[in-house]
Amino acid sequence: NAGVTQTPKFRVLKTGQSMTLLCAQDMNHEYMYWYRQDPGMGLRLIHYSVGEGTTAKGEVPDGYNVSRLKKQNFLLGLESAAPSQTSVYFCASRDLAGGRSAQYFGPGTRLLVL
Amino acid sequence: DAKTTQPPSMDCAEGRAANLPCNHSTISGNEYVYWYRQIHSQGPQYIIHGLKNNETNEMASLIITEDRKSSTLILPHATLRDTAVYYCIVKGGSNYKLTFGKGTLLTVNP
Repeated sequence: NAGVTQTPKFRVLKTGQSMTLLCAQDMNHEYMYWYRQDPGMGLRLIHYSVGEGTTAKGEVPDGYNVSRLKKQNFLLGLESAAPSQTSVYFCASRDLAGGRSAQYFGPGTRLLVL
Repeated sequence: DAKTTQPPSMDCAEGRAANLPCNHSTISGNEYVYWYRQIHSQGPQYIIHGLKNNETNEMASLIITEDRKSSTLILPHATLRDTAVYYCIVKGGSNYKLTFGKGTLLTVNP
């Protein structure tokens, strides 16, 4: 049981390049989330999904797109990377057991946009 | 979701109990108190959560006051590996997301 995994662990992009971050969970969780964490800002929610085939915007969705084609995977895409998207990205998931269930986080993807 | 207030930092001696306070005076009846921690450069780690009763698991204990306006996370025997930022979060059942504040940096000293 690997929990929540993220690919890649680290990436350097040039401004304008695109990339996709992959999040996978093997806990059969319904909900999945993408957060970003910047120094002094705490975690901010980018997008989330309440089930396969659904996505919704969080606090800071601009510049990102997501897809949830399979229940176990949640992809975060950057179509045209900008230096402001330099951050650490965390994926999380939780099950459907009411609103009281906990979120479980992946190890993070460190992205540097030059 | 209710706002929480935590001290920015605390120190604890290795082997002693670490008691981390959190104020959430505007908490409403259906909101839970969650505790997470983040060790440097790692993803946040779930610790424990509760509604109104005290809770205990293999990691920690959560004490919630009777009026639910504050809580305390207790790490019974702190180790150096418990050095981390600890986040107290109040979240209602209908809210999907967690809102992380600045948390408390707990430093466990040898």
